[in-house]
Amino acid sequence: AQSVTQLDSHVSVSEGTPVLLRCNYSSSYSPSLFWYVQHPNKGLQLLLKYTSAATLVKGINGFEAEFKKSETSFHLTKPSAHMSDAAEYFCVVSHPYGGSQGNLIFGKGTKLSVKP
Amino acid sequence: DADVTQTPRNRITKTGKRIMLECSQTKGHDRMYWYRQDPGLGLRLIYYSFDVKDINKGEISDGYSVSRQAQAKFSLSLESAIPNQTALYFCATSDSLETQYFGPGTRLLVL
Repeated sequence: AQSVTQLDSHVSVSEGTPVLLRCNYSSSYSPSLFWYVQHPNKGLQLLLKYTSAATLVKGINGFEAEFKKSETSFHLTKPSAHMSDAAEYFCVVSHPYGGSQGNLIFGKGTKLSVKP
Repeated sequence: DADVTQTPRNRITKTGKRIMLECSQTKGHDRMYWYRQDPGLGLRLIYYSFDVKDINKGEISDGYSVSRQAQAKFSLSLESAIPNQTALYFCATSDSLETQYFGPGTRLLVL
């Protein structure tokens, strides 16, 4: 069975400091992994996607994530936070095979706050 | 224009009422999904459809039904709404490459 755990429900950083949002996954297969962002009162937007190519994945708005199979982790980072990064972030794993192929399993979300 | 649209955006209804949430997409994708989002729980899959003739239950389908009227349209119905169905509902679409594209959401309040 596949699952995803976001280790922090809330992260607070100061503007200009690094961002680290942690995600661990469990999968019987080689997973596809995603990070989505949800700004207040908005839908979900894809930040980046890992599908077994390069282990370091670059996304939009300066975010990147590194797939570490040995640690079953897919942490999201950004070198310097901006006020506009304040949002909720979801780590997501996908079923690669079978009747549920393409179905997403969502983590419970990490709310990022950015202080001026 | 948005690729995935949902109507209504907000809805207040009473316990026992039947309501329908609608989703339309212009991306030409075969796959469509309905999720609900509750605070602290992330998104949970209600139903999904891989093409017009294919409907599948997700993790939390009880109390819900769906209809895939066309490739571009996928509606979600609550036959008899109850207060614990108060949530934010999202429709999504995808092609075979797994990335899903989400609509703006429908905020539903059941009194």
